[in-house]
Amino acid sequence: QLQLVESGGGVVQPGGSLRLSCAASGFTFSNCGMHWVRQAPGKGLEWVAFIHSDGSDKSYADSVKGRFTISRDNSKNTLYLQINSLRAEDTAVYYCAKKWGSNPVAAQVDHWGRGTLVTVSS
Amino acid sequence: QAVVTQEPSLTVSPGGTVTLTCGSSSGAVTSGHYPYWFQQKPGQAPRTLIFDTTYKHSWTPARFSGSLLGGKAALTLSGAQPEDEAEYYCLLSYNGARPWVFGGGTKLTVL
Repeated sequence: QLQLVESGGGVVQPGGSLRLSCAASGFTFSNCGMHWVRQAPGKGLEWVAFIHSDGSDKSYADSVKGRFTISRDNSKNTLYLQINSLRAEDTAVYYCAKKWGSNPVAAQVDHWGRGTLVTVSS
Repeated sequence: QAVVTQEPSLTVSPGGTVTLTCGSSSGAVTSGHYPYWFQQKPGQAPRTLIFDTTYKHSWTPARFSGSLLGGKAALTLSGAQPEDEAEYYCLLSYNGARPWVFGGGTKLTVL
């Protein structure tokens, strides 16, 4: 059974840092690109970052570029999102999502995790 | 940077048919944008319904279908059920520095 389980969220002060994790199981993680998507409270979905299956290619939304870093450890079947210089507007539920194919243009999202909440507050 | 637009809200009667649309500020939506549709119910993670304009996953109810309509991507729900009340998001792919953009979502009420 395919599972994506996010962790690492919490309350952090403005300017602080967190590392989010997404533990994958039930599929060959090392063959799949992965996305991070976030959703601010009461708001819509926002694509945040993408990493290729082998970590060789990464993309970021303009709103997080230079502050967020996506990475993965295929030996641990785990995806990460390092988030630095946190701002109030980064408060959101962060979801990891699996990419099912190799088309470099299409998002190809199929399965989603349940998300982890990051709250930026003093 | 393109903006993806959706109707903020729509209402459909039980058993009725409704079409949600997804437009792009950069011009007509085509199959090259690989339109996706997601369903999200309150307190739940999103669920992928439609990919690459028209294709369904194994879990997608048959009453949902995707298409291109008048320069936009479209999601049609035929025979609405109460459990279809949810927020629906489209996602378009752009070949560039900001590759994937969500629409603002459509709140669908079945009433």
